[in-house]
Amino acid sequence: DQQVKQNSPSLSVQEGRISILNCDYTNSMFDYFLWYKKYPAEGPTFLISISSIKDKNEDGRFTVFLNKSAKHLSLHIVPSQPGDSAVYFCAATTSGTYKYIFGTGTRLKVLA
Amino acid sequence: DTEVTQTPKHLVMGMTNKKSLKCEQHMGHRAMYWYKQKAKKPPELMFVYSYEKLSINESVPSRFSPECPNSSLLNLHLHALQPEDSALYLCASSLVSTSGSSFGNEQFFGPGTRLTVL
Repeated sequence: DQQVKQNSPSLSVQEGRISILNCDYTNSMFDYFLWYKKYPAEGPTFLISISSIKDKNEDGRFTVFLNKSAKHLSLHIVPSQPGDSAVYFCAATTSGTYKYIFGTGTRLKVLA
Repeated sequence: DTEVTQTPKHLVMGMTNKKSLKCEQHMGHRAMYWYKQKAKKPPELMFVYSYEKLSINESVPSRFSPECPNSSLLNLHLHALQPEDSALYLCASSLVSTSGSSFGNEQFFGPGTRLTVL
């Protein structure tokens, strides 16, 4: 049972435009969410996170939106750059645990 | 130093071999994790150590044996593995929150060890 899902396995975006990556979850106990970026032959790198008490968190070109009622979060990258081309994972966890559940990943390709 | 290092980068072993994967961090993180990642799949949690004590074992077969000899080191001992155990093994570390969990803290990942079992 996949508790965290990223339904788009891949996404192509033109350089300078907005990239929107989506993530859905089923477990209402999740209260902290993270986005990671992964290049080939490297481990995932943390990008941005959001607590369930917020609905938006922004860090430079990256913004994460959380819709708790829909159990949905999204990562917006504006403007997209070729160096953003990577696999993006969302992850979710519950306070009081060490368990992070990762989504299946979305491969983003930013075209120059 | 914000790096998690893993050795070796690649490992090929037979089903009767015994080998070990090593992970090291010097960020003062007291939670350390082993994940397994198969191709086109998300990382799957295997083990978590908190303050050098095993906190989570996600029903991993006993042919995988973790060890945390000190706060900076995490090992994964491998014995009698099967070909289906071939995967990327990722180590990660994080701070521990005042509530005694990883809540609110991101994980720092190493580059992984690519394991092939013949």
